[in-house]
Amino acid sequence: GAGVSQSPSNKVTEKGKDVELRCDPISGHTALYWYRQSLGQGLEFLIYFQGNSAPDKSGLPSDRFSAERTGGSVSTLTIQRTQQEDSAVYLCASSLFGTGTYEQYFGPGTRLTVT
Amino acid sequence: GQQVMQIPQYQHVQEGEDFTTYCNSSTTLSNIQWYKQRPGGHPVFLIQLVKSGEVKKQKRLTFQFGEAKKNSSLHITATQTTDVGTYFCAGPHNNAGNMLTFGGGTRLMVKP
Repeated sequence: GAGVSQSPSNKVTEKGKDVELRCDPISGHTALYWYRQSLGQGLEFLIYFQGNSAPDKSGLPSDRFSAERTGGSVSTLTIQRTQQEDSAVYLCASSLFGTGTYEQYFGPGTRLTVT
Repeated sequence: GQQVMQIPQYQHVQEGEDFTTYCNSSTTLSNIQWYKQRPGGHPVFLIQLVKSGEVKKQKRLTFQFGEAKKNSSLHITATQTTDVGTYFCAGPHNNAGNMLTFGGGTRLMVKP
């Protein structure tokens, strides 16, 4: 079946502008995660959604970052007043949810460049 | 807070040589996962280990979970150019639930 999809694949924006990044998880996956990966670096956790529970926002680096998940499916990560340090690849992942720890399926990412 | 560390950060090997990356957690883990990210790609799940001392093999890859469930290793025998990429380990965040804490990754480069 279809995997996790993200759009756009690339986004170039000017400093100070707002951007929206979209994630379509695998159908049936109730858990959804956003990560940020700077060039050559590891995965920085941003936010986690599980079903109708309140999201875990503990990884959001500043109040310029926010995310929504509508209808328990599609998620949008919004970055307001972008800064150059926001330049990175933003990865979305989804997984099943249960009593164990499930493998995460990653999307191809959105490469954000702030000029 | 929980930390997951990997060493080495980078490794250059000649094709045919073996390679090992080590993962260490500051806390005991209920399980550990390994992911591979090819250059320009996204992380792809490789395996999950659950039991103390568990060893699993996938062709030339051998995964091990330590007896104390605080460390893990990935060993690749006779590396090939297709093994190039970054290998991440990940443990359950605060040892509970779906969220993962990822290690910093080991980037493997293979010289043909």
